[in-house]
Amino acid sequence: AQSVAQPEDQVNVAEGNPLTVKCTYSVSGNPYLFWYVQYPNRGLQFLLKYITGDNLVKGSYGFEAEFNKSQTSFHLKKPSALVSDSALYFCAVRDMRGYQKVTFGIGTKLQVIP
Amino acid sequence: ETGVTQSPTHLIKTRGQQVTLRCSSQSGHNTVSWYQQALGQGPQFIFQYYREEENGRGNFPPRFSGLQFPNYSSELNVNALELDDSALYLCASSRGPGTGEGGELFFGEGSRLTVL
Repeated sequence: AQSVAQPEDQVNVAEGNPLTVKCTYSVSGNPYLFWYVQYPNRGLQFLLKYITGDNLVKGSYGFEAEFNKSQTSFHLKKPSALVSDSALYFCAVRDMRGYQKVTFGIGTKLQVIP
Repeated sequence: ETGVTQSPTHLIKTRGQQVTLRCSSQSGHNTVSWYQQALGQGPQFIFQYYREEENGRGNFPPRFSGLQFPNYSSELNVNALELDDSALYLCASSRGPGTGEGGELFFGEGSRLTVL
């Protein structure tokens, strides 16, 4: 079975400050890891993914994420937060074997304060 | 590039009724997955369709069923609706298994179902 934990229901950060949204995962094989963002009453938008290679992956809107195999973590980061980054962020995982079932975390609400 | 479209966007049903939700996949994608997102929760995997066949299923009862058509569009059918079925139903398309591209999902805006 595969699972994702997002330990923070909400993260508050001042505009211009760096932000981190935490994620840990569990999967039996090698993971494919993803971050998605959801704005109110909208579907999810893909931000970035880790498949293999460099542990630091870069994605849309200036976001990046760091894969740490020993800690089974995949934290989302951004050097300087914008008010428009305020949204719900979901971490997701799938096993690279088999079919493409993707398991999502419960989500973390990011609030960027002007 | 045409994105994922879902219909209807909102609908209200009563307990015991049946509902059909529709999804058109993004161009170039041959795999469709359906997710249920209850209020305040993350999306929960219902099932996936690839080459018109169910390719995996989550922990949902048989009254949740689906179809995929030759043009890769898909339907989600839910019979004997229950109050707990009230949720946002998300369709996501992706490139098929074995492409080595990680299988990131591209979501539609969702269909919000309210069961009274």
